[in-house]
Amino acid sequence: DAKTTQPNSMESNEEEPVHLPCNHSTISGTDYIHWYRQLPSQGPEYVIHGLTSNVNNRMASLAIAEDRKSSTLILHRATLRDAAVYYCILLAYSGAGSYQLTFGKGTKLSVIP
Amino acid sequence: DVKVTQSSRYLVKRTGEKVFLECVQDMDHENMFWYRQDPGLGLRLIYFSYDVKMKEKGDIPEGYSVSREKKERFSLILESASTNQTSMYLCASSLLQGSYEQYFGPGTRLTVT
Repeated sequence: DAKTTQPNSMESNEEEPVHLPCNHSTISGTDYIHWYRQLPSQGPEYVIHGLTSNVNNRMASLAIAEDRKSSTLILHRATLRDAAVYYCILLAYSGAGSYQLTFGKGTKLSVIP
Repeated sequence: DVKVTQSSRYLVKRTGEKVFLECVQDMDHENMFWYRQDPGLGLRLIYFSYDVKMKEKGDIPEGYSVSREKKERFSLILESASTNQTSMYLCASSLLQGSYEQYFGPGTRLTVT
């Protein structure tokens, strides 16, 4: 299975942009790149996903390298509510109309007031 | 609003007991998932189901079984609870097609003594 590598932790100042990196050098051509985050004492929450092109939504932006071996989640202005563990995940198709997400250990983002 | 609910937030059981964890989603999603989350190990997939009465093993199915008799409900069963099954259990659901975004419940903290 393709795996992802993320830093264990990162810090950001409030209202500054945050760039969360993810390496996935063994990604296959059909794997989607998903990002989820988990706030304290809550279940994970979907953030964004992409295949080849950069993507934007109301929560974040996703920048995908041209060779797809790495990607970066961008929070444009970090707030205290963005303090969470961020997971970079490859979506693997499992056949029979199903698929599964494989979660790694993620990056714990701390936001400093 | 999208909603996944789990029957209990906290549960304490004795070794050898049969344990049922219930999950209900109100979004008419085809896919449902059970994960466990442990410190330092991230989220690991136990079982998933892409249709009523269908189930697929995830990465760590040993010691668990599941039941999906109705589309909206997915149950995780610990036939004989052991202390190494003390963990946070998270349920999720998603559409079979489309963005594959998974919606998570709040989790059940199970302690086996």
